[in-house]
Amino acid sequence: DGGITQSPKYLFRKEGQNVTLSCEQNLNHDAMYWYRQDPGQGLRLIYYSQIVNDFQKGDIAEGYSVSREKKESFPLTVTSAQKNPTAFYLCASRSGEQETQYFGPGTRLLVL
Amino acid sequence: AQSVTQLDSQVPVFEEAPVELRCNYSSSVSVYLFWYVQYPNQGLQLLLKYLSGSTLVKGINGFEAEFNKSQTSFHLRKPSVHISDTAEYFCAVRRFGNEKLTFGTGTRLTIIP
Repeated sequence: DGGITQSPKYLFRKEGQNVTLSCEQNLNHDAMYWYRQDPGQGLRLIYYSQIVNDFQKGDIAEGYSVSREKKESFPLTVTSAQKNPTAFYLCASRSGEQETQYFGPGTRLLVL
Repeated sequence: AQSVTQLDSQVPVFEEAPVELRCNYSSSVSVYLFWYVQYPNQGLQLLLKYLSGSTLVKGINGFEAEFNKSQTSFHLRKPSVHISDTAEYFCAVRRFGNEKLTFGTGTRLTIIP
């Protein structure tokens, strides 16, 4: 089945710890995105990548980092600099020929 | 810059009644418009989209939306809702040539049996 997978479904972070969220797609999409979702605030763009080895900051990139070493993978690291990391994180991808972004199932990050 | 306003944060509707979820956007240039649905603890699923052409677009699960350029609106409608339509609905806009998709704050649709 083609699609976007995110792991883990739930992730717990301790104080001062960096954690990495996985996003993999087998849709052969060029562009990939990371969003953060908080209750009542909709989705906010963290980072996006239009091509391998290139990525751009979104609206709320502070405290996060990404890499795009392979077309199918776009991991997000939540660093210790992110003081309020508790949220639902959604990964999305888009084909260069289409205008629609497709979303993964999400990872819920909680702070211990 | 572009922005999206979803005027109602919560909408309760009786089962089999019609529903309209409102979405207004602001942009100085042409846009693409989308409606997504999110069930609890899941990702977003595309309901429908307007890219060009006919202003009335039909989507999955019996939903439709109408693009109104003069009123900068893209309201979502369904003539008869079901319990399974209980979810959160997000309107989103993307300017031509811009990579960024901007979302509204969402409308929680609750179906009353």
